[in-house]
Amino acid sequence: KQEVTQIPAALSVPEGENLVLNCSFTDSAIYNLQWFRQDPGKGLTSLLLIQSSQREQTSGRLNASLDKSSGRSTLYIAASQPGDSATYLCAVSNAGNQFYFGTGTSLTVIP
Amino acid sequence: DAGVIQSPRHEVTEMGQEVTLRCKPISGHDYLFWYRQTMMRGLELLIYFNNNVPIDDSGMPEDRFSAKMPNASFSTLKIQPSEPRDSAVYFCASSLRPGVNTEAFFGQGTRLTVV
Repeated sequence: KQEVTQIPAALSVPEGENLVLNCSFTDSAIYNLQWFRQDPGKGLTSLLLIQSSQREQTSGRLNASLDKSSGRSTLYIAASQPGDSATYLCAVSNAGNQFYFGTGTSLTVIP
Repeated sequence: DAGVIQSPRHEVTEMGQEVTLRCKPISGHDYLFWYRQTMMRGLELLIYFNNNVPIDDSGMPEDRFSAKMPNASFSTLKIQPSEPRDSAVYFCASSLRPGVNTEAFFGQGTRLTVV
């Protein structure tokens, strides 16, 4: 069974810093990888989707990379802002379209 | 499209009662997923449907849990009888078919409290 791990579990940074969140998965036979953001008491908002054939995706200050062979993905957030404070989750899907989630990284950006 | 719509947003019920959670997926999406989120276990896939047919229900914790998708625009997750350990946030998500775009879109969730 696919296992997804996210490190660190929690991260606190001052405003303006660049930061990297990590995601690793045990089975490299994935279809895609998706990064989500979850605010307290809210649902999941999709941030970036990387297909298995892609190496990275960018959206604004966010850049996600994927290295399938090593089972790793990173989410890079540039010039962090207090509004970026949330829990970030990565999920991988296999050919059967099941999504396996990591336990998330709780990010706090201090003004 | 208004996105994935779940109801109710909050549900408080007494142990032993039946609970029904509802989900309307994004129109045109072929896949529908039910997840449960708790602090201890994170997000767990309970069951998913493809074209209204249940494909994998191995994540359903017990026979007390059941899910249906009578048509492409509606699904229910039922717990009967409910127990305090069922308290969690239940999410519904939908996506297109593989080969097109499998980005998953989530509803706002139903926060269930069983007392």
